[in-house]
Amino acid sequence: EPEVTQTPSHQVTQMGQEVILRCVPISNHLYFYWYRQILGQKVEFLVSFYNNEISEKSEIFDDQFSVERPDGSNFTLKIRSTKLEDSAMYFCASSEYVGATNEQFFGPGTRLTVL
Amino acid sequence: AQTVTQSQPEMSVQEAETVTLSCTYDTSENNYYLFWYKQPPSRQMILVIRQEAYKQQNATENRFSVNFQKAAKSFSLKISDSQLGDTAMYFCAWYGGATNKLIFGTGTLLAVQP
Repeated sequence: EPEVTQTPSHQVTQMGQEVILRCVPISNHLYFYWYRQILGQKVEFLVSFYNNEISEKSEIFDDQFSVERPDGSNFTLKIRSTKLEDSAMYFCASSEYVGATNEQFFGPGTRLTVL
Repeated sequence: AQTVTQSQPEMSVQEAETVTLSCTYDTSENNYYLFWYKQPPSRQMILVIRQEAYKQQNATENRFSVNFQKAAKSFSLKISDSQLGDTAMYFCAWYGGATNKLIFGTGTLLAVQP
């Protein structure tokens, strides 16, 4: 069964460093998402992406964040200068279409630890 | 703005018993969808069940069923014949309006005891 994959599973970085989190969505999916979950808190939407541009973003997704689909398979989230409060689990998701009848499939997540 | 509330941070149930997880939400939208996602210790989020707000009939998926009360804005998940593999965090989520994002509750950690 096709699945969303994410690398690395755990990333440790120093405050102020740039990190890139990578995701490979399901191959025929057209819509891509990033969510994050700070430990013990709820899952929060960051950004959605379609047709090589951001379709929606939350207030969390400030200028320190960017997303890219550099090739036909990867979808990346870059944090330019990490802060302690960026420590969280980051989930990538993809869907074939928009609309709730089309399930958003989630990856296993990348745990980001900022020291 | 839409909100989703799960008032039970943790629950426990004996294997083979039935358990109900609560979820309430607030929205001014008429057309929306509600979901229950399961997040086991492996951390992968898995869709358990989905309910369309315009459908009066409660959704059912094998041992999982919902009690959807639209007027009360309540969406509870019932797990019958609980199994050890049901141990996980369960998130209630809302989707609708002009947005493509899922709005999640804070989750309920369910422990199935042998």
